[in-house]
Amino acid sequence: AQSVTQLDSQVPVFEEAPVELRCNYSSSVSVYLFWYVQYPNQGLQLLLKYLSGSTLVESINGFEAEFNKSQTSFHLRKPSVHISDTAEYFCAVSGTYQGAQKLVFGQGTRLTINP
Amino acid sequence: GAGVSQSPSNKVTEKGKDVELRCDPISGHTALYWYRQSLGQGLEFLIYFQGNSAPDKSGLPSDRFSAERTGGSVSTLTIQRTQQEDSAVYLCASRPTGFYGYTFGSGTRLTVV
Repeated sequence: AQSVTQLDSQVPVFEEAPVELRCNYSSSVSVYLFWYVQYPNQGLQLLLKYLSGSTLVESINGFEAEFNKSQTSFHLRKPSVHISDTAEYFCAVSGTYQGAQKLVFGQGTRLTINP
Repeated sequence: GAGVSQSPSNKVTEKGKDVELRCDPISGHTALYWYRQSLGQGLEFLIYFQGNSAPDKSGLPSDRFSAERTGGSVSTLTIQRTQQEDSAVYLCASRPTGFYGYTFGSGTRLTVV
Protein backbone atom coordinates (compact mmCIF):
# COMPACT_ATOMS: atom_id res chain seq x y z
CA ALA A 1 0.00 0.00 0.00
CA GLN A 2 1.05 3.59 -0.54
CA SER A 3 0.51 6.83 1.35
CA VAL A 4 1.21 10.47 0.58
CA THR A 5 1.96 13.33 2.93
CA GLN A 6 1.71 16.92 1.82
CA LEU A 7 3.44 18.80 4.56
CA ASP A 8 1.72 22.16 4.11
CA SER A 9 -2.04 22.56 4.00
CA GLN A 10 -1.73 26.21 2.94
CA VAL A 11 1.05 28.18 1.28
CA PRO A 12 0.69 31.95 0.79
CA VAL A 13 3.22 33.66 -1.47
CA PHE A 14 3.57 36.97 -3.25
CA GLU A 15 3.22 37.22 -6.99
CA GLU A 16 6.48 36.59 -8.89
CA ALA A 17 8.02 34.89 -5.86
CA PRO A 18 9.27 31.28 -6.02
CA VAL A 19 7.26 28.50 -4.40
CA GLU A 20 7.82 24.91 -3.33
CA LEU A 21 4.98 22.56 -2.41
CA ARG A 22 6.25 19.56 -0.53
CA CYS A 23 5.20 15.96 -1.06
CA ASN A 24 6.55 12.83 0.57
CA TYR A 25 5.33 9.34 -0.09
CA SER A 26 5.60 5.92 1.47
CA SER A 27 5.58 2.71 -0.52
CA SER A 28 7.07 -0.77 -0.35
CA VAL A 29 7.11 -1.01 -4.15
CA SER A 30 8.17 1.13 -7.07
CA VAL A 31 5.85 4.04 -7.75
CA TYR A 32 4.54 6.45 -10.31
CA LEU A 33 4.06 9.99 -9.04
CA PHE A 34 1.66 12.72 -10.07
CA TRP A 35 0.73 16.30 -9.30
CA TYR A 36 -2.83 17.45 -9.94
CA VAL A 37 -4.19 20.99 -9.72
CA GLN A 38 -7.74 21.94 -8.80
CA TYR A 39 -8.91 25.45 -9.63
CA PRO A 40 -11.96 26.79 -7.75
CA ASN A 41 -15.17 24.93 -8.59
CA GLN A 42 -13.42 22.69 -11.09
CA GLY A 43 -12.26 19.09 -11.24
CA LEU A 44 -8.67 18.00 -10.91
CA GLN A 45 -6.29 18.48 -13.83
CA LEU A 46 -3.10 16.51 -14.35
CA LEU A 47 -0.18 18.92 -13.97
CA LEU A 48 2.78 16.58 -14.39
CA LYS A 49 3.86 13.02 -13.76
CA TYR A 50 6.94 10.93 -13.15
CA LEU A 51 6.93 7.42 -14.60
CA SER A 52 10.58 6.66 -15.31
CA GLY A 53 13.72 8.19 -16.78
CA SER A 54 14.74 11.73 -15.90
CA THR A 55 13.86 12.51 -12.31
CA LEU A 56 13.03 16.12 -13.20
CA VAL A 57 9.68 16.58 -14.91
CA GLU A 58 8.11 19.78 -16.14
CA SER A 59 4.65 21.08 -16.93
CA ILE A 60 3.67 23.43 -19.73
CA ASN A 61 2.97 26.32 -17.35
CA GLY A 62 6.36 26.50 -15.66
CA PHE A 63 6.00 24.07 -12.77
CA GLU A 64 8.55 21.33 -12.23
CA ALA A 65 8.91 18.44 -9.83
CA GLU A 66 11.85 16.25 -8.96
CA PHE A 67 11.61 12.62 -7.95
CA ASN A 68 14.01 11.86 -5.12
CA LYS A 69 13.95 8.16 -4.37
CA SER A 70 16.27 8.28 -1.38
CA GLN A 71 14.16 10.94 0.31
CA THR A 72 10.87 9.51 -1.03
CA SER A 73 9.89 12.98 -2.16
CA PHE A 74 8.32 14.61 -5.19
CA HIS A 75 8.28 18.33 -4.39
CA LEU A 76 6.64 20.77 -6.80
CA ARG A 77 8.38 24.05 -7.61
CA LYS A 78 7.88 27.16 -9.67
CA PRO A 79 10.48 29.94 -9.86
CA SER A 80 7.94 32.76 -10.29
CA VAL A 81 4.23 32.41 -9.56
CA HIS A 82 1.28 34.29 -11.03
CA ILE A 83 -2.12 35.16 -9.62
CA SER A 84 -3.58 32.52 -11.94
CA ASP A 85 -1.66 29.80 -10.08
CA THR A 86 -3.99 30.20 -7.12
CA ALA A 87 -5.46 26.71 -6.68
CA GLU A 88 -5.26 23.55 -4.63
CA TYR A 89 -2.49 21.14 -5.54
CA PHE A 90 -2.62 17.41 -4.91
CA CYS A 91 0.26 14.96 -4.96
CA ALA A 92 -0.64 11.36 -5.81
CA VAL A 93 1.07 8.00 -6.08
CA SER A 94 0.33 4.61 -7.58
CA GLY A 95 2.29 1.38 -7.56
CA THR A 96 3.92 0.52 -10.87
CA TYR A 97 2.67 -3.04 -10.63
CA GLN A 98 -0.95 -1.99 -10.41
CA GLY A 99 -2.81 -2.53 -13.62
CA ALA A 100 -5.68 -0.64 -12.06
CA GLN A 101 -3.48 2.40 -11.45
CA LYS A 102 -5.48 3.40 -8.40
CA LEU A 103 -4.15 6.72 -7.19
CA VAL A 104 -3.59 7.53 -3.53
CA PHE A 105 -3.78 11.28 -2.96
CA GLY A 106 -2.31 13.58 -0.38
CA GLN A 107 -4.54 15.98 1.55
CA GLY A 108 -3.76 18.85 -0.79
CA THR A 109 -1.96 22.18 -0.48
CA ARG A 110 -3.86 25.38 -1.05
CA LEU A 111 -1.61 27.87 -2.86
CA THR A 112 -2.67 31.49 -2.49
CA ILE A 113 -0.91 34.16 -4.52
CA ASN A 114 -1.01 37.68 -3.14
CA PRO A 115 -0.40 40.72 -5.37
CA GLY B 1 -17.13 14.31 -25.77
CA ALA B 2 -14.24 16.62 -25.12
CA GLY B 3 -14.04 15.87 -21.42
CA VAL B 4 -15.50 13.80 -18.62
CA SER B 5 -19.06 14.95 -18.00
CA GLN B 6 -20.81 14.56 -14.66
CA SER B 7 -24.40 15.29 -13.76
CA PRO B 8 -25.94 16.81 -11.84
CA SER B 9 -23.33 19.34 -10.80
CA ASN B 10 -25.13 19.89 -7.52
CA LYS B 11 -27.59 17.69 -5.66
CA VAL B 12 -29.37 18.38 -2.41
CA THR B 13 -31.27 15.46 -0.96
CA GLU B 14 -33.02 14.58 2.24
CA LYS B 15 -31.53 12.07 4.60
CA GLY B 16 -32.79 8.59 3.79
CA LYS B 17 -33.45 9.23 0.11
CA ASP B 18 -31.61 7.47 -2.72
CA VAL B 19 -29.50 9.39 -5.24
CA GLU B 20 -27.96 8.59 -8.60
CA LEU B 21 -24.88 10.35 -9.92
CA ARG B 22 -23.95 10.06 -13.56
CA CYS B 23 -20.58 10.03 -15.30
CA ASP B 24 -20.01 10.18 -19.04
CA PRO B 25 -16.32 9.44 -19.69
CA ILE B 26 -14.25 10.49 -22.66
CA SER B 27 -15.07 8.36 -25.67
CA GLY B 28 -12.64 5.48 -25.99
CA HIS B 29 -11.42 5.61 -22.41
CA THR B 30 -11.56 2.06 -21.13
CA ALA B 31 -10.88 2.76 -17.46
CA LEU B 32 -13.30 4.68 -15.24
CA TYR B 33 -12.93 5.64 -11.59
CA TRP B 34 -15.09 7.18 -8.91
CA TYR B 35 -13.52 9.15 -6.08
CA ARG B 36 -15.04 11.07 -3.19
CA GLN B 37 -13.63 14.39 -2.01
CA SER B 38 -14.68 15.57 1.41
CA LEU B 39 -13.32 17.91 4.06
CA GLY B 40 -11.03 16.11 6.41
CA GLN B 41 -10.89 12.95 4.29
CA GLY B 42 -9.25 14.25 1.15
CA LEU B 43 -9.74 12.20 -2.00
CA GLU B 44 -10.87 8.64 -1.45
CA PHE B 45 -11.00 5.92 -4.09
CA LEU B 46 -14.43 4.33 -4.39
CA ILE B 47 -14.60 2.03 -7.42
CA TYR B 48 -12.80 1.22 -10.69
CA PHE B 49 -14.07 -0.19 -13.97
CA GLN B 50 -11.83 -1.56 -16.72
CA GLY B 51 -13.46 -2.72 -19.92
CA ASN B 52 -15.60 -5.79 -19.37
CA SER B 53 -13.72 -6.95 -16.28
CA ALA B 54 -15.38 -7.20 -12.88
CA PRO B 55 -15.15 -3.81 -11.14
CA ASP B 56 -12.83 -3.19 -8.21
CA LYS B 57 -15.24 -2.17 -5.47
CA SER B 58 -12.70 -2.18 -2.67
CA GLY B 59 -13.18 1.51 -1.85
CA LEU B 60 -16.95 1.57 -1.43
CA PRO B 61 -17.57 2.63 2.19
CA SER B 62 -20.73 0.60 2.78
CA ASP B 63 -23.27 -1.57 1.02
CA ARG B 64 -25.41 1.52 0.51
CA PHE B 65 -23.04 2.46 -2.29
CA SER B 66 -23.10 0.76 -5.67
CA ALA B 67 -22.07 1.59 -9.21
CA GLU B 68 -22.52 0.23 -12.66
CA ARG B 69 -21.10 0.95 -16.06
CA THR B 70 -23.28 0.19 -19.03
CA GLY B 71 -21.85 -0.68 -22.41
CA GLY B 72 -18.36 0.22 -21.29
CA SER B 73 -19.27 3.89 -21.30
CA VAL B 74 -21.65 5.76 -18.98
CA SER B 75 -21.43 4.99 -15.27
CA THR B 76 -23.93 5.59 -12.49
CA LEU B 77 -23.03 5.78 -8.81
CA THR B 78 -26.01 5.07 -6.57
CA ILE B 79 -26.20 5.88 -2.89
CA GLN B 80 -29.13 4.38 -1.06
CA ARG B 81 -30.63 5.73 2.16
CA THR B 82 -28.30 8.72 2.15
CA GLN B 83 -26.73 9.90 5.40
CA GLN B 84 -25.28 13.28 6.27
CA GLU B 85 -21.78 11.86 6.22
CA ASP B 86 -22.30 11.09 2.51
CA SER B 87 -22.14 14.83 1.80
CA ALA B 88 -19.10 15.35 -0.42
CA VAL B 89 -17.99 16.04 -3.97
CA TYR B 90 -18.10 12.87 -6.05
CA LEU B 91 -15.53 12.88 -8.82
CA CYS B 92 -15.41 10.65 -11.85
CA ALA B 93 -12.27 10.11 -13.90
CA SER B 94 -11.32 8.12 -16.96
CA ARG B 95 -8.21 7.17 -18.91
CA PRO B 96 -7.35 5.20 -22.01
CA THR B 97 -5.56 1.86 -21.77
CA GLY B 98 -1.82 2.27 -21.33
CA PHE B 99 -1.95 5.94 -20.33
CA TYR B 100 -0.80 7.04 -16.92
CA GLY B 101 -2.89 9.75 -15.32
CA TYR B 102 -6.62 10.38 -15.24
CA THR B 103 -8.89 13.01 -16.72
CA PHE B 104 -11.35 14.13 -14.05
CA GLY B 105 -14.83 15.51 -14.42
CA SER B 106 -15.93 18.62 -12.52
CA GLY B 107 -17.74 16.53 -9.94
CA THR B 108 -21.15 16.34 -8.34
CA ARG B 109 -21.52 18.18 -5.05
CA LEU B 110 -23.89 16.13 -2.90
CA THR B 111 -25.47 17.70 0.16
CA VAL B 112 -27.58 15.55 2.44
CA VAL B 113 -29.87 17.56 4.72
